[in-house]
Amino acid sequence: AAGVIQSPRHLIKEKRETATLKCYPIPRHDTVYWYQQGPGQDPQFLISFYEKMQSDKGSIPDRFSAQQFSDYHSELNMSSLELGDSALYFCASSPPWGMNGYTFGSGTRLTVV
Amino acid sequence: AQTVTQSQPEMSVQEAETVTLSCTYDTSESDYYLFWYKQPPSRQMILVIRQEAYKQQNATENRFSVNFQKAAKSFSLKISDSQLGDAAMYFCAMDSNYQLIWGAGTKLIIKP
Repeated sequence: AAGVIQSPRHLIKEKRETATLKCYPIPRHDTVYWYQQGPGQDPQFLISFYEKMQSDKGSIPDRFSAQQFSDYHSELNMSSLELGDSALYFCASSPPWGMNGYTFGSGTRLTVV
Repeated sequence: AQTVTQSQPEMSVQEAETVTLSCTYDTSESDYYLFWYKQPPSRQMILVIRQEAYKQQNATENRFSVNFQKAAKSFSLKISDSQLGDAAMYFCAMDSNYQLIWGAGTKLIIKP
């Protein structure tokens, strides 16, 4: 069965560099959520998209931006990276309203050095 | 493959009653962690309870407790004295072999 695909799996960047993380949802899922999980911390909700429009915004820094494309995949762009941005970034997708079933990706582990 | 399965897409319970949310998992690892997270409408993930696989004693946090059956690979969450504020999506997750695997979620509805 198809799953949520995230790329890359691992990423190492230097401070002040930029990074782009990608999330490919389950086919026919129209909503994508992004989470950031630092070491030993609960996942923090960053942002979500529904039908290519931003639907909810959480604790996403101004240095980060995201969008959902026509094929429903989403990209999280991170600029001016800081050491504290090192974390596991995972996305989840969910089907149209009224249907249940989130599917989570395996995440991208970002290390900023 | 490591998997986490929540077979109940939605559950409802009368306020003040007890409800149990099911979770089963599969892993070949002997040491792992299991979690229940609550996701309110804000989308934040709030840790409800955590269980370490090597501990036989079931974890408990106030009205929340788990029934951890390691041999059966089952990790159910019991919510006692349900309150309106408990209404949310609940996710079961497993941290195994440096991977975090999530279930599909169970929507909990509290009836006043």
